[in-house]
Formats: sequence, structure tokens, C-alpha cells
Amino acid sequence: ETGVTQTPRHLVMGMTNKKSLKCEQHLGHNAMYWYKQSAKKPLELMFVYNFKEQTENNSVPSRFSPECPNSSHLFLHLHTLQPEDSALYLCASSQETTSGTDTQYFGPGTRLTVL
Amino acid sequence: AQKVTQAQTEISVVEKEDVTLDCVYETRDTTYYLFWYKQPPSGELVFLIRRNSFDEQNEISGRYSWNFQKSTSSFNFTITASQVVDSAVYFCALSVYGGYQKVTFGTGTKLQVIP
Repeated sequence: ETGVTQTPRHLVMGMTNKKSLKCEQHLGHNAMYWYKQSAKKPLELMFVYNFKEQTENNSVPSRFSPECPNSSHLFLHLHTLQPEDSALYLCASSQETTSGTDTQYFGPGTRLTVL
Repeated sequence: AQKVTQAQTEISVVEKEDVTLDCVYETRDTTYYLFWYKQPPSGELVFLIRRNSFDEQNEISGRYSWNFQKSTSSFNFTITASQVVDSAVYFCALSVYGGYQKVTFGTGTKLQVIP
């Protein structure tokens, strides 16, 4: 595997379900990000992790819970979602996030549909 | 606050035509980075180029070229002799340092290349 991978690629869940999205980066990076991409809207940054520490929670509802066990893996735990949470969820990584200079590399995304 | 404007929502061109995608940005920071990403139907954002605010040299990479003009706060992207494989959504992004790397994306321009 190379680059940034995400599983599953597609997910359909009910509002009462609990599911998790997984992201893994094979680039030796130390920073990882979750973004939400909804139709007709700019990419929204959700969470930032640098060296496994969360450095930003961009006012995301608590029904989204991130977990970063190490610099290579990032999870997004989902519970009691709403239909408006249906979107493409993108994971990205960069070398680190303290300089503002690094390029972020993205995974293919998980297309989430909440019924 | 940072802002990236991609005024062209959708563009259609016939194969082999040249096409320019516009990007206008706003920031008060003197140090910043500009990016272009390509998002094909598969969903993954593919990194194309990064340019820092101190380097106004235009860049050419094969059929792709970028024109950075600080005087007009623009970072335009031109595809020469477009091909069907260029069909995708293209995002311009601006990165500054704000405690962590804060990237602001434009809303994207959907390019359709017609054979």
C-alpha cells in the first residue's frame, strides 16, 4: 500500500448505528486530518492531529469522535448521525503541521450516506 | 481570515482546447502557500503544485502551467491541449500558519473535456 488509504470506501448507516472510518498513511508523516466534503460547499476541516495529539477540533458535533492511536492511523467514530452528515469524508496527512508549509496528501475518501 | 474564490463553477471544453482555471485569494499574512489539487470522479484529491508567497515565478509541468500574480492575488492554472483524462474538479487552496497549518479551499471548478 502506498500513500493514504481509507476504508470503507462507501458506507450506508442508519441514524442509530455506530460505525468507524479508518485512515492509514504510508508516507511517514506526523500530522493527519479529517475533512468533510458536502455538495456545493468547500472542504471543511474537522480535526487535526500532530504527533498523535489533537491540535484542532473545528467545532465538530460530538457525534463525531476522532481517535489517533499512532502517527500512521486515524479513525473517525460515528454515532447517532443525522441525514445532513451524509458527505464524502476525506483523510489527509502531511509531514507535520507546525510550520504552515507542508503539502497535505489525501486519501480516496469514504462516501457516507445516513438514512 | 483567509478566503479562496474560484468563480468558475463549471467549464466545458472540447478536447485539445486550452483552458484556464481562475483562483483569487485573500489573506493578510505575508507568508503563505498556494496549492492546486485535482479531484477525479474516484474522489481522491491529487496534489498538483505548491507555490510560496515569495516565489512569483510561473511554473510549467508538461501540459500544466501556473501563473502566480501577487499584484492581483491570483494563482491561475492553465491546461494546454486538454484531454478527456483532465475531466475532474480542480481545487485551489491557501495555507497559512495559525497555530497549525490552516488550509482554506475554494469551492472548486468542475472541468469537463468533451472528446
